[in-house]
Amino acid sequence: GAVVSQHPSRVICKSGTSVKIECRSLDFQATTMFWYRQFPKQSLMLMATSNEGSKATYEQGVEKDKFLINHASLTLSTLTVTSAHPEDSSFYICSARDLQTNTGELFFGEGSRLTVL
Amino acid sequence: RKEVEQDPGPFNVPEGATVAFNCTYSNSASQSFFWYRQDCRKEPKLLMSVYSSGNEDGRFTAQLNRASQYISLLIRDSKLSDSATYLCVVNTAGTALIFGKGTTLSVSS
Repeated sequence: GAVVSQHPSRVICKSGTSVKIECRSLDFQATTMFWYRQFPKQSLMLMATSNEGSKATYEQGVEKDKFLINHASLTLSTLTVTSAHPEDSSFYICSARDLQTNTGELFFGEGSRLTVL
Repeated sequence: RKEVEQDPGPFNVPEGATVAFNCTYSNSASQSFFWYRQDCRKEPKLLMSVYSSGNEDGRFTAQLNRASQYISLLIRDSKLSDSATYLCVVNTAGTALIFGKGTTLSVSS
């Protein structure tokens, strides 16, 4: 199946710093990528939909100025957590569909576990 | 009402048991349905899609009841390796997938 690669897999940072997470579709082009967040024992919650060449669409309650999304190419979307705080510590996962297969299946990156001290 | 609801479990079963998970969804316009599996601290991976006529993949059987907005997953002859969290996932056209909270399964020897 299609492959989505996410980096870094783990990051620990100090409060107030910014962290960038990259999401790449390795063998297909993704005009749309989705960013999810998962807190312990919770479901994956959609944060935003990243659209290549245009602004991301954020879900209600997600601050667009805090979670900056850039989708500059058909294979790369980045999520930057700005001025991170301990409550931002979570598992961030990106995902994308391979539209050529059109199965509706979402392929996920490996996830990035962020710990803010 | 939450968009996708699942019994969180945990379900603790012995090897060889049959176990069933249920899921309900609130949006009647939902079009695609999936079961994903998530191992601890890992990303979710597709287990199987769910079709209106019901479908089977080895020991796994998925059912969909659109009238009741209900999805099920049946696992027969449980293996130790089936221990994971099973996520019920629903999609409406043009939107991202909506995930349930997941049902945790623990299979013991």
